[in-house]
Parts: sequence; structure tokens; C-alpha cells
Amino acid sequence: KQEVTQIPAALSVPEGENLVLNCSFTDSAIYNLQWFRQDPGKGLTSLLLIQSSQREQTSGRLNASLDKSSGRSTLYIAASQPGDSATYLCAVRHASGGSYIPTFGRGTSLIVHP
Amino acid sequence: DAGITQSPRHKVTETGTPVTLRCHQTENHRYMYWYRQDPGHGLRLIHYSYGVKDTDKGEVSDGYSVSRSKTEDFLLTLESATSSQTSVYFCAISESTGSSGEQYFGPGTRLTVT
Repeated sequence: KQEVTQIPAALSVPEGENLVLNCSFTDSAIYNLQWFRQDPGKGLTSLLLIQSSQREQTSGRLNASLDKSSGRSTLYIAASQPGDSATYLCAVRHASGGSYIPTFGRGTSLIVHP
Repeated sequence: DAGITQSPRHKVTETGTPVTLRCHQTENHRYMYWYRQDPGHGLRLIHYSYGVKDTDKGEVSDGYSVSRSKTEDFLLTLESATSSQTSVYFCAISESTGSSGEQYFGPGTRLTVT
């Protein structure tokens, strides 16, 4: 069974810092890995999708990397801002009994204070 | 933002009553999913659909049923609501389940069973 772990569970940093959020998974036979942001009381917003054949994706101040062989992904946030405060979740899509369903980590809760 | 709406957005119901939640999409995506999100458990898949009238169970399907009679609508029914089904329910869609299958989420429905 695929298990997805996100470390740390919570993070509080001053504005301007560069951050690394971690996501690890136990089964490396994945199709893709997706990073989401969730604001309190809201739905999930897709940030980046890394396909299994890719090593990284970038969007603005965000950069996500994928190392399938070691079962790890990192989300790098450059020059953090208070507006980055949210919970960040990763999800891996993998084969399970003939279907291809995503498994989510429990998220990293990020607070960026001014 | 992907065109996904959920209704109702909030509902309070009594134990033993049936409840139906609706997810509507305007993206014409083939795959639709229902998740629940609970503190300490993260996001867990309830049921998903891979086409009209084609559905399958997820990790926590007991006590839930689904139906999809049109591409754009995916209904989640709690046949007889229990307090353990108090949760936030999210609908998601994706165009495919392969490596390019990015998921998009709706705004969520907060359900309270008293």
C-alpha cells in the first residue's frame, strides 16, 4: 500500500526566507506527483504537477523536484511572503488493483510572519 | 480555476437521515472523485468515476454510494447518516489518470451529522 509522508507537519518562518517542504512515498512506481495549496476553509488549489518522466517543475517562486528512485519530492518556495501561509499537500498517483488513484500526504502547515 | 461546483456548501442533518451531495463540472473531464477530509486522517478517497455509469470504491466507501448519469454530475449519497460521517467532502476531477492527469478540486461541502 502506498504511503505518503510530509515533513515537517508545521513550519513557521519569517518573511523572506527560502523554504523546502518534503514529501516522501513508499512505492516508487508512480505516474505523477502533484503539489497543492489549501487555505483554511477552502478547497485545494493545484500548484505543480510533475510527471513520472520529469525531474522538476517550476512556477514563479515555486520549484518542485522529483526523485522516484528514492521516493522523494521537495517543494522549494523562494523569498517567502505572508500570503504563502497555507497548508501544502502532496499527492502521488500510482497503480492500485488496476486503477490509478492518488494518495495524499497529511500536509505541511506553513505560517510566514511579517 | 477549473469549473467545479459543489452543493450544498454546508449542511446539518440528523443521524439516520439520507443525504445527497452534488458535484457539477463544466470541464467535460472523464474522471471524478469524492474525498473526505478529517483532522488526523488527511484526504481519503471515498468513490471515483471513470465515465458515465462507471464507478468504483475508494479507501473509505462503507456507508456511501455514488451515481453518475451525466458526464458533468457526480452524486454522493449517505444512505443513513452517522456522526462518524461528519466531515468536509471534496469533489475532484481529472482529464486522465496517466502521468499528465492533473486533479482539480471543488470548494468543499461541510457536513455535520447530529
